Amino acid sequence: EAGVAQSPRYKIIEKRQSVAFWCNPISGHATLYWYQQILGQGPKLLIQFQNNGVVDDSQLPKDRFSAERLKGVDSTLKIQPAKLEDSAVYLCASSSGLAGGETQYFGPGTRLLVL
Amino acid sequence: SQQGEEDPQALSIQEGENATMNCSYKTSINNLQWYRQNSGRGLVHLILIRSNEREKHSGRLRVTLDTSKKSSSLLITASRAADTASYFCATDGDFNKFYFGSGTKLNVKP
Repeated sequence: EAGVAQSPRYKIIEKRQSVAFWCNPISGHATLYWYQQILGQGPKLLIQFQNNGVVDDSQLPKDRFSAERLKGVDSTLKIQPAKLEDSAVYLCASSSGLAGGETQYFGPGTRLLVL
Repeated sequence: SQQGEEDPQALSIQEGENATMNCSYKTSINNLQWYRQNSGRGLVHLILIRSNEREKHSGRLRVTLDTSKKSSSLLITASRAADTASYFCATDGDFNKFYFGSGTKLNVKP
């Protein structure tokens, strides 16, 4: 079974530029998550999708971050414009459904550096 | 915030010793999970314990949950150098939404 795929693995941009990350979850997984992990901290949930609908985006800075999951499969996360404090690893995860206590499977992450 | 907090922040032990990490959280939960993250990699699920369970084992891992104290512990027995990683607890409430703690960084010296 293929795991969660993310690209790119690394990205360096200047502040005020825009950037996009892509995630392809495990086949058949209904729920997809985007997390932001700042160095030395735990992952912080940015947005959670079930199929192509948003379940929770309460911690997504909507003035600069956007995400979509067209057709309920892969997803993109965009930052526009980027700030220095957006430097972090962006992790995508998926799980099979919304039943409680399901395991999340994580991709390798995209490491973003904003200069 | 429902976020869990791990203790200690860092732990250094010799190979063969046991490692114990603790997690405290603030609100009631349905489940608590532990994840491992090797440096520069994604998180890997280790074990899940439900709110009506008190203890669970998986190989060299033992997890306990005390809902009255809102705390959990992860014990790794007979540690190996390959166990060197950061360990996170994650609590979930409604809609399978997870809150991760800040992690314990474990270093196992060969």
